[in-house]
Amino acid sequence: GAGVSQSPSNKVTEKGKDVELRCDPISGHTALYWYRQSLGQGLEFLIYFQGNSAPDKSGLPSDRFSAERTGGSVSTLTIQRTQQEDSAVYLCASSLVLAGGTTDTQYFGPGTRLTVL
Amino acid sequence: AQSVTQLGSHVSVSEGALVLLRCNYSSSVPPYLFWYVQYPNQGLQLLLKYTSAATLVKGINGFEAEFKKSETSFHLTKPSAHMSDAAEYFCAVSGTGRRALTFGSGTRLQVQP
Repeated sequence: GAGVSQSPSNKVTEKGKDVELRCDPISGHTALYWYRQSLGQGLEFLIYFQGNSAPDKSGLPSDRFSAERTGGSVSTLTIQRTQQEDSAVYLCASSLVLAGGTTDTQYFGPGTRLTVL
Repeated sequence: AQSVTQLGSHVSVSEGALVLLRCNYSSSVPPYLFWYVQYPNQGLQLLLKYTSAATLVKGINGFEAEFKKSETSFHLTKPSAHMSDAAEYFCAVSGTGRRALTFGSGTRLQVQP
């Protein structure tokens, strides 16, 4: 079946502009995650959604970062007033939630490469 | 708090040689441990996972890993390297209290002909 998809695959923007990154999870996966992969910081967790629960935003690096998940499916990560240090690959993952509330294997999308000039 | 440490940012082996990629974890709760592989310009693909069942876990592409609680280790091995194994490998941990994965810094595997 279809995997996690992300768009755009590449995004080049100017410093100070806002960007939106999209993630389409695997159908039926109620858990969705955003991670960031950069040369200096490695792979970092950003935010986690599960069903209708309040998202875990503990990984967001600043208030310029926000994310929403509409209808329990598609998610959008928004970065306002982008800075050069925001340049990274943004990865989305989704998983099932098992009985007892534990999450199953996370399946990753191909990522969006963001370059801030 | 949970963390993983991957020893060796670069590992080079000859084709046909043993592959050993090291991962040590720190977790205050029983951990779930994972190895992911990333090929150039691609996302992460799960190789294998440990979720408190058998301590020796077999994954895809001939890889396996052994959970050793006494050593807090989860090293990844493959008996015979193939050129197609060249990629970056990430060890990750999660737990019942934290759904998100905490990743190690990654190990880039080179396979020499």
